[in-house]
Amino acid sequence: DIQMTQSPSAMSASVGDRVTITCRASQGISNYLAWFQQKPGEVPKRLIYAASTLQSGVPSRFSGSGSGTEFTLTISSLQPDDSATYYCLQQFSHPLTFGGGTKVET
Amino acid sequence: QVQLVQSGAEVKKPGASVKVSCKASGYSFSSYGISWVRQAPGQGLEWMGWISGYNGNTNYAQQIQGRVTMTTDTSTRTAYMELRSLRSDDTAVYYCARDGADIVVVLEGTSEYFHHWGQGTLVTVSS
Repeated sequence: DIQMTQSPSAMSASVGDRVTITCRASQGISNYLAWFQQKPGEVPKRLIYAASTLQSGVPSRFSGSGSGTEFTLTISSLQPDDSATYYCLQQFSHPLTFGGGTKVET
Repeated sequence: QVQLVQSGAEVKKPGASVKVSCKASGYSFSSYGISWVRQAPGQGLEWMGWISGYNGNTNYAQQIQGRVTMTTDTSTRTAYMELRSLRSDDTAVYYCARDGADIVVVLEGTSEYFHHWGQGTLVTVSS
């Protein structure tokens, strides 16, 4: 099984800060990676797919990069509405696996 | 528009079974699959398994294999997830999400997968 190690597990940042979240895969997964944002009591919302493609309607301050085993989600200028938990998901092979999550507080 | 509508909250006793439904609309059911994901209170997302809307093929996560069965009813465009021998640590919100129709995923296809989710079903296991 492919393990997804996400870091950090939690962080606090100020409005306007640049925030970077990392997911590392235990083996190469090409670009088969998605990023999700989840706020308390809400359904996960997909932000990025195929590692770097921004979901339509998602603010352009979100971006994804990486390939193979290391991936990053970047928020270029943190906004108050970005307080949430972020998860990565590898879709390269079954069983699909999520990262452990990163809780971002502003 | 694509919609996945799940059944309502359930309260079950340890050892019982629960069956959660996920009714799809707005797309060709047989052209996609459904993945089930759960989230225990205060915890992260856990992928439980997948079923193809095309041929009913399934793949389950190792940790629940033997206790879970995923099925589809193509006539009603509904996917089901049944979990047996419930334990207190099965207490969670259970989500369905649209996924691929084949276990082998083409990168270009991932644009269509995990974008649409059901609203979640809370299953509480308590004596």
